[in-house]
Amino acid sequence: DIQMTQSPSSLSASVGDRVTITCRASQSITSYLNWYQQKPGKAPKLLIYVASSLQSGVPSRFSGSGSGTDFTLTISSLQPEDFATYYCQQSYSTPRTFGQGTKVEIK
Amino acid sequence: QVQLQESGPGLVKPSETLSLTCTVSGGSVSSSSYWSWLRQPPGKGLEWIGYIYYSGSTNYNPSLKSRVTISVDTSKNQFSLKLSSVTAADTAVYYCAREGSYGSYYYFMDVWGKGTTVTVSS
Repeated sequence: DIQMTQSPSSLSASVGDRVTITCRASQSITSYLNWYQQKPGKAPKLLIYVASSLQSGVPSRFSGSGSGTDFTLTISSLQPEDFATYYCQQSYSTPRTFGQGTKVEIK
Repeated sequence: QVQLQESGPGLVKPSETLSLTCTVSGGSVSSSSYWSWLRQPPGKGLEWIGYIYYSGSTNYNPSLKSRVTISVDTSKNQFSLKLSSVTAADTAVYYCAREGSYGSYYYFMDVWGKGTTVTVSS
């Protein structure tokens, strides 16, 4: 299985801050990397696919980058509705695997 | 647009079989997508259980493969999950999801059901 490791596991930030979350794969997954946002009691929501493509309807303050084993999700200016947990996921092979999540909390 | 809705018992006894159904609306389960099941134990991360293509071909997580069956019913526009010999460790929110694709190479879960909580307890 491909292991996905996110850092940090949690972070505290203020509205307007630039936030960066990192995801590392245990082997190269080229660009087969997706990012999801999950709010408490809700299903995950797709934000970014193929490492850097913004899903329709997702605000442009979200962006993704990287390839191979190292990837980044950036929120350029954190908004109140962005406080949530974020997961990376690889679709290079099965079983599909997720990072452990990064919880973004209000400072 | 496509919507998914999970249904099934919220309480299952240990050693019994968990059975859930996902109903697809606004689209067809016979489309060129993979139909997936995932779960999330309380306070933990997401685990992929497996998926099925409308033709019936399946792919399961090896960690659950011996206990999992995913099937599809195109006439009802539904797909289903069966997980046998459950224990308390199978207590989780279970999600169904569509794994769509970009260019038939890149896959991502772009439509999710709201999730259903299943508790394993006697």
